[in-house]
Amino acid sequence: DIQMTQSPSSLSASVGDRVTITCRASRSIITFLNWYQQKPGKVPKVLIYGASNLQSGVPSRFSGSGSGTDFTLTITSLQPEDFATYYCQQSYSSPLTFAGGTKVEIK
Amino acid sequence: QVQLVESGGGLVKPGGSLRLSCAASGFTFSDYYMSWVRQAPGKGLEWLSYISGTSISTNYADSVKGRFTISRDNAKNSLYLQMNSLTADDTAVYYCAKSGLDYSDSMDHWGQGTLVTVSS
Repeated sequence: DIQMTQSPSSLSASVGDRVTITCRASRSIITFLNWYQQKPGKVPKVLIYGASNLQSGVPSRFSGSGSGTDFTLTITSLQPEDFATYYCQQSYSSPLTFAGGTKVEIK
Repeated sequence: QVQLVESGGGLVKPGGSLRLSCAASGFTFSDYYMSWVRQAPGKGLEWLSYISGTSISTNYADSVKGRFTISRDNAKNSLYLQMNSLTADDTAVYYCAKSGLDYSDSMDHWGQGTLVTVSS
């Protein structure tokens, strides 16, 4: 099974900050990497698919990069509505696996 | 618009069974892979199972293999999860999620979830 690891597990940031979250796979997943956002009490929502493709309707301040085993989600200018937990997920092989998440909190 | 509505959750005793349903609308259900994902209270997301549009392909997480069975009825636009031998560790909100034409696509729509509580 492919293990997914995210770092950090939590971070504090201010509105307007640039935020970077890292995701690592235990072996190459090429670019079969998806990022999801989940706000408290809400349903997960896909932000990025295929490592770097922005899901329709998602603001352009979100971007994804990486291939192989190392991936990054970047929020260029954090907005109040971006405070949430972010998960990466590999869809290269079964079982599909999520990382543990990164909680982005207000500083 | 795509809509996914789960039902069937509730309180069940350890060792018991439950069948979850997910009613889909707003897209050609039979074309798409569907998954079940759960989230224990205060924890992260855990993918459980997927099924192809034709039901030919299914796969399970190790944590539920042999206990849970995914199925679908394309005539009814419905997805199911039969859960047997439940333990306290299965307590979670269970989501159904729509993927693309392949299991490797992202889960682009999610239902609101149904809560399963396993307790005596």
